[in-house]
Amino acid sequence: AQSVAQPEDQVNVAEGNPLTVKCTYSVSGNPYLFWYVQYPNRGLQFLLKYITGDNLVKGSYGFEAEFNKSQTSFHLKKPSALVSDSALYFCAVRVLGSSNTGKLIFGQGTTLQVKP
Amino acid sequence: GAVVSQHPSRVICKSGTSVKIECRSLDFQATTMFWYRQFPKQSLMLMATSNEGSKATYEQGVEKDKFLINHASLTLSTLTVTSAHPEDSSFYICSARTPWGGPQETQYFGPGTRLLVL
Repeated sequence: AQSVAQPEDQVNVAEGNPLTVKCTYSVSGNPYLFWYVQYPNRGLQFLLKYITGDNLVKGSYGFEAEFNKSQTSFHLKKPSALVSDSALYFCAVRVLGSSNTGKLIFGQGTTLQVKP
Repeated sequence: GAVVSQHPSRVICKSGTSVKIECRSLDFQATTMFWYRQFPKQSLMLMATSNEGSKATYEQGVEKDKFLINHASLTLSTLTVTSAHPEDSSFYICSARTPWGGPQETQYFGPGTRLLVL
């Protein structure tokens, strides 16, 4: 079965420190991978995606993610966290060529708390 | 990135009434839109896939007669919660998929609609 896992419910980091939000996936075929961020009572904002090519993808607000095929992971990273980065982060995957083309499978979400 | 709007942002209604939520893609034409439901501190649950000019595809367990979806144009999809009950109270989020396909394809999300049924 296709799935996405975010093993951490919450990640706490101090402002200025690097942050990592983990995501692993289990799909058949080549995945399209996405990261979205959600602020309270708001919809999801697109951060970045991996389709093909360079395994390190750079996105909005200084975020980047590294695709690792052997570990089936797509961890979200940022070199220096800001308090304003505190939000709920979702990893998602879409598989090419499936009967559910276009349907995203979401992880359960990780709350990032950046403390001053 | 592309912009998707939702209206209304919040709605309070009495039990038994119907509520319509609009989702618009503002700067691209979306042949496919999606409707999600989100409970507090939980992930998004896909309710249905809305295809312009055809019937929506509902996920298992979602009542199509209760959650009516209409995708009348390439920029507008509506979700109508019919005969709403308190258990329908939730955060409803739509998304629109860019039409270009391949590596350029991305889903953009609306800001969500908070529904409270009294």
